[in-house]
Amino acid sequence: GENVEQHPSTLSVQEGDSAVIKCTYSDSASNYFPWYKQELGKGPQLIIDIRSNVGEKKDQRIAVTLNKTAKHFSLHITETQPEDSAVYFCAASMTSSGDKLTFGTGTRLAVRP
Amino acid sequence: DAGITQSPRHKVTETGTPVTLRCHQTENHRYMYWYRQDPGHGLRLIHYSYGVKDTDKGEVSDGYSVSRSKTEDFLLTLESATSSQTSVYFCAISENPGLAGYEQYFGPGTRLTVT
Repeated sequence: GENVEQHPSTLSVQEGDSAVIKCTYSDSASNYFPWYKQELGKGPQLIIDIRSNVGEKKDQRIAVTLNKTAKHFSLHITETQPEDSAVYFCAASMTSSGDKLTFGTGTRLAVRP
Repeated sequence: DAGITQSPRHKVTETGTPVTLRCHQTENHRYMYWYRQDPGHGLRLIHYSYGVKDTDKGEVSDGYSVSRSKTEDFLLTLESATSSQTSVYFCAISENPGLAGYEQYFGPGTRLTVT
């Protein structure tokens, strides 16, 4: 089955700096890669996603890049703010498997004011 | 939380007792999923449903069963709870993977402690 590795497990940045979280996946058939943000005591919330026919996607301060050849994708947050502090999860799935998501183990991001 | 409720939100139970968690959605989405979240493991899929009475196993299905008799409700049952099933359980829904969007929306979670 699919295996998703996520790094780093913790990340601390100064407010205004950029943060980058990286994930690798094992199954070349995976074609959908969402990113979730989870705040304390809440369920994960989808913040951005990318499909395998696209190399990059942006939404305001958030961007995701995908390298299918190397089987890795990354989340980029620019101009970080204290409210960006949360746990971020990457995931991968493929249409043929019923879109069952395989998650990374999470990155705890702390933005220092 | 995209019209998803989970009940109970917290439960403490003893080893060997049966436990049922409920997920209720108001979005009329076809797909529903149960995940568990544990430190160091992220979220792992337990079971999912692709329609009323249609279910399939996920990555960590041993010790769990599910039922879906109505579109809006998806039940997760631990027939005989064990301490290893202490976890936070999340329900998720998806409208119709493979078409317009694969997005899964998550509920608020149920924290289960088995003593």
